[in-house]
Amino acid sequence: NAGVTQTPKFRILKIGQSMTLQCTQDMNHNYMYWYRQDPGMGLKLIYYSVGAGITDKGEVPNGYNVSRSTTEDFPLRLELAAPSQTSVYFCASSIRDSAYEQYFGPGTRLTVT
Amino acid sequence: GQNIDQPTEMTATEGAIVQINCTYQTSGFNGLFWYQQHAGEAPTFLSYNVLDGLEEKGRFSSFLSRSKGYSYLLLKELQMKDSASYLCAASDSNYQLIWGAGTKLIIKP
Repeated sequence: NAGVTQTPKFRILKIGQSMTLQCTQDMNHNYMYWYRQDPGMGLKLIYYSVGAGITDKGEVPNGYNVSRSTTEDFPLRLELAAPSQTSVYFCASSIRDSAYEQYFGPGTRLTVT
Repeated sequence: GQNIDQPTEMTATEGAIVQINCTYQTSGFNGLFWYQQHAGEAPTFLSYNVLDGLEEKGRFSSFLSRSKGYSYLLLKELQMKDSASYLCAASDSNYQLIWGAGTKLIIKP
């Protein structure tokens, strides 16, 4: 099993550009999450999904969108990138809700200039 | 509000024991997690406590007191590879994880 995979690993965007961060898991997990991690701060939940076709906002959803058309894939879309979105983005999955272990992808380091 | 507090940084010596504390305030509680995160890498699961008491797993142990909103992670026989950040996270009543900022543990020879 590959676990949770994310692409790209690194990306530099100009202000106003858009991009999609890809996330795929092969563990047949229902729950998937997108977090951002800024230096000196805890992980912040952007969006999460409890199954295909179902998504919900987390703590910091503004400027992002998600979709969940399959169990495996949970892409994160950044529209009109801003410097405040410079961060490390982690995708994670779990078999059930957050009372269960989460498995993380390797992360995407995004810089917006 | 919901909050997790843990020390920013700790230093310990190879072969010694270190205890990393975490206090939490959440709306409801469905368990306390500890994750390890090496620099530039993703967090990986270490432990989960939902009942009061100590859970031991090899060199690592985790303790929970629900009445005090307190947990600690105990690392024994420290090795250089234990140099990492240790993240405390609590699951609230909505089964959302509230994360602490992490404790950077520096191991000196």
